[in-house]
Formats: sequence, C-alpha cells, structure tokens
Amino acid sequence: DTEVTQTPKHLVMGMTNKKSLKCEQHMGHRAMYWYKQKAKKPPELMFVYSYEKLSINESVPSRFSPECPNSSLLNLHLHALQPEDSALYLCASSQDNGDIQYFGPGTRLTVL
Amino acid sequence: EDQVTQSPEALRLQEGESSSLNCSYTVSGLRGLFWYRQDPGKGPEFLFTLYSAGEEKEKERLKATLTKKESFLHITAPKPEDSATYLCAVRFLNSSASKIIFGSGTRLSIRP
Repeated sequence: DTEVTQTPKHLVMGMTNKKSLKCEQHMGHRAMYWYKQKAKKPPELMFVYSYEKLSINESVPSRFSPECPNSSLLNLHLHALQPEDSALYLCASSQDNGDIQYFGPGTRLTVL
Repeated sequence: EDQVTQSPEALRLQEGESSSLNCSYTVSGLRGLFWYRQDPGKGPEFLFTLYSAGEEKEKERLKATLTKKESFLHITAPKPEDSATYLCAVRFLNSSASKIIFGSGTRLSIRP
C-alpha cells in the first residue's frame, strides 16, 4: 500500500467554525508533513512530524494546530480561520525526514 | 539566500515535440533534488530523485539530469497525457536542520 489518504476532500467553513483535516498512511513512514498550496503556486511547508514529534513549524499562525496521535495518523485542527486561508491542504509522508515524500490528494478548504 | 527557480513558467508543445524544463538552485549542503508531477486539484506525484552532479534517471518519456547548479527534465516525444505541472524540490541542510524548498513549477501543455 503506497497511498496517503486525506479526508475530507472538500471543506467549507465559516470564520468562527472549528474543523479538522485528517491524513493517514500505512507505509510505515516515520515522517509526516502538512503543506498549504494556493492556486498556481508551489506547496508551502507548514509542519513536519518526525517519529510522532513536531520537528518543524514554519511560523504558522496558531489558528492551525497539528496533531500526530500515532505514526499512521496526522491531523490539522482549524479554528477561527480567515478567508485568505482558503487553499488546497496537502499531507505527505516519507520513510524518514527528508526522504522521498508521497502526497495525498489534498483537502480543498474554503473559508467564508 | 536559498532559492529554487523553475523555467519556463509555462510551456506549450505539439505532440511529439521534445523539450526540456529547467530547475536552478542556490543552496548550500544539497541533500537531494526531487521532481514531481502535479495534475490540477491533486497532490504531487513523485517522479525522480537525484543526489549528485552527473546523475541521470529515466522513466518512459522523461529523463532527469543534475549538475552542481541546476537540473533538467527532458521530455522526449511527449503525448497529451504528459500535460501537467512539473515541480522540482530541493532538500538541503540549513543550520543543521533539513529543509526542503519547492520551485514554482512549469505548467506543461501538450497539444494533440
């Protein structure tokens, strides 16, 4: 199984809502990543978890809160988002931090 | 400043018309250069990894090469299904931390 799954595929939320994005992989990878991608732009790294510990936080606003419950799961908790946070949120995993990353299909987030 | 630049931004080719995409980088401590393909609304799909100058990798109509300053993705006799955005990413060491930067991508369109 070389697949990274993400749910939901689409999410529309208001600025006062609280929601979560989920990511799962069963490849035994020990590093997992969250990226944000705006239209016609490259993915921007947000967070890196290595061996279930947060190793990189690229100065992301606190309205984004990552969580790694176990080595297969990665969540991104969203609260009080702004319309400019609307984007495609990508999850990726790799055998170890810095190795080849395998991406999920993404969650298309719209903040109203 | 650590930087990854891709050119051209967009490229339109006739089916069967070979060409090359460029990824130039200015980083110290290169630890790997990655090529990905991304279709609209989907996550990037891994193509190649290159680690040292002079290295080459091939897959079907694609061939990636690496020098000390840049990488090329050569596309031979492309087909319409090769239309996508091609991203390169560079992994390097910065203050003992592993970093990854994506280029802005080349949008490739192949006309039948």
